[in-house]
Amino acid sequence: IVLTQSPGTLSLSPGDRATLSCRASQSFSSGYLAWYRQKPGQAPRLLIYGASNRATGIPDRFSGSVSGRDFTLTISRLEPEDFAVYHCQQYDSLPWTFGQGTKVEI
Amino acid sequence: QVTLKESGPALVKPTETLTLTCTLSGFSLSTYGMRVSWVRQPPGQALEWLARIDWDNDEFYSPSLKARLTISKDTSKNQVVLTMTNMDPVDTGTYYCARMGMVRGVLYNWFDPWGQGTLVTVSS
Repeated sequence: IVLTQSPGTLSLSPGDRATLSCRASQSFSSGYLAWYRQKPGQAPRLLIYGASNRATGIPDRFSGSVSGRDFTLTISRLEPEDFAVYHCQQYDSLPWTFGQGTKVEI
Repeated sequence: QVTLKESGPALVKPTETLTLTCTLSGFSLSTYGMRVSWVRQPPGQALEWLARIDWDNDEFYSPSLKARLTISKDTSKNQVVLTMTNMDPVDTGTYYCARMGMVRGVLYNWFDPWGQGTLVTVSS
């Protein structure tokens, strides 16, 4: 399954709302998609699993949704630490694959 | 607290074999449901899943790299080892190990948490 993330770069300001997209090459009804945030020089951190479930310790400004093959990560109000790269990952079928990432920049 | 830490050479020559070790803390790979994967990230590029090993010794590999990869575990040391043969400059990148997800006893294939990663450069 190929995941295509858009846009490649999102230029926003603190306090703005961010909407990130991840489109799958084929539909999977399981909803087995995760989102990660990767700050510069750090490892990715799990934000969302099962398309819409927040991982432990993730604030509620992060939310995920799905419509058909289109998955969306929404950050309601950007905090300084949210300026980072975001990756989506499908775990519906092997091999598990990632999108190419969306960079959220100031 | 669950942590993972990668270790291995920072520089390998083309055609050499890379051996990376992931040391686990806060959980044991001999416990039901525990699974660890390796994921890599070339500079400025996308993440790529490589291999997974389970508490019951099941192994899974990326089809595109299966011929070059071996994953194993040393339960006594609580470590997972990845070997990759015939290294090439395109294999340069940061290599991460990560635990796989589980919720209320149900196993899922997301990655959480991740180790800090180790940068491997392939160059002569």
